[in-house]
Amino acid sequence: ETGVTQTPRHLVMGMTNKKSLKCEQHLGHNAMYWYKQSAKKPLELMFVYSLEERVENNSVPSRFSPECPNSSHLFLHLHTLQPEDSALYLCASSQEASGSMSTDTQYFGPGTRLTVL
Amino acid sequence: KNEVEQSPQNLTAQEGEFITINCSYSVGISALHWLQQHPGGGIVSLFMLSSGKKKHGRLIATINIQEKHSSLHITASHPRDSAVYICAVRSLLGTDKLIFGTGTRLQVFP
Repeated sequence: ETGVTQTPRHLVMGMTNKKSLKCEQHLGHNAMYWYKQSAKKPLELMFVYSLEERVENNSVPSRFSPECPNSSHLFLHLHTLQPEDSALYLCASSQEASGSMSTDTQYFGPGTRLTVL
Repeated sequence: KNEVEQSPQNLTAQEGEFITINCSYSVGISALHWLQQHPGGGIVSLFMLSSGKKKHGRLIATINIQEKHSSLHITASHPRDSAVYICAVRSLLGTDKLIFGTGTRLQVFP
């Protein structure tokens, strides 16, 4: 148990559906992250939020829409996804997100395994 | 070519064996992380190091900054060590992001 929870753990959706992934951290951290993990590929950073402000968006298609209403919660809203979006989506948090010499450890949630039909 | 390369990609071992997983990187870094991902997806941070060596239980991580190389060793391996081990580096360039290797899948058989 890392202090970061994600729901749902599994999600199957059609290409026309709209769904949301939820992440909650109980660690008092200021930064939260969404990652995508596809089969046989490295983890890809999607979004970074620091103190509820988006500080990084790594060229993610607009069909993925993040929302950070407060420093403990992070959502990823999904709409009109493609089958190639099927992957494990991991949320993480850390104490801080900024600072060129930051060595903060990120704490990961269990992930949501998404299948797009 | 990834900026972080791990070897081997897959590794099988008998219980009790000494295991080494390697990570090489091509960028300047401020820190290197070793992560463990269990079946089902959850990731746990094992080590964060910027120089030398760290030990935690049966796990040992070393890093050679000059050679841009790190190793993760598992002594007296056990089936519960079966997982994917991921190396990630915190780059000195740009936005200080983590760059991940593709992972090493370890299976330890009784």
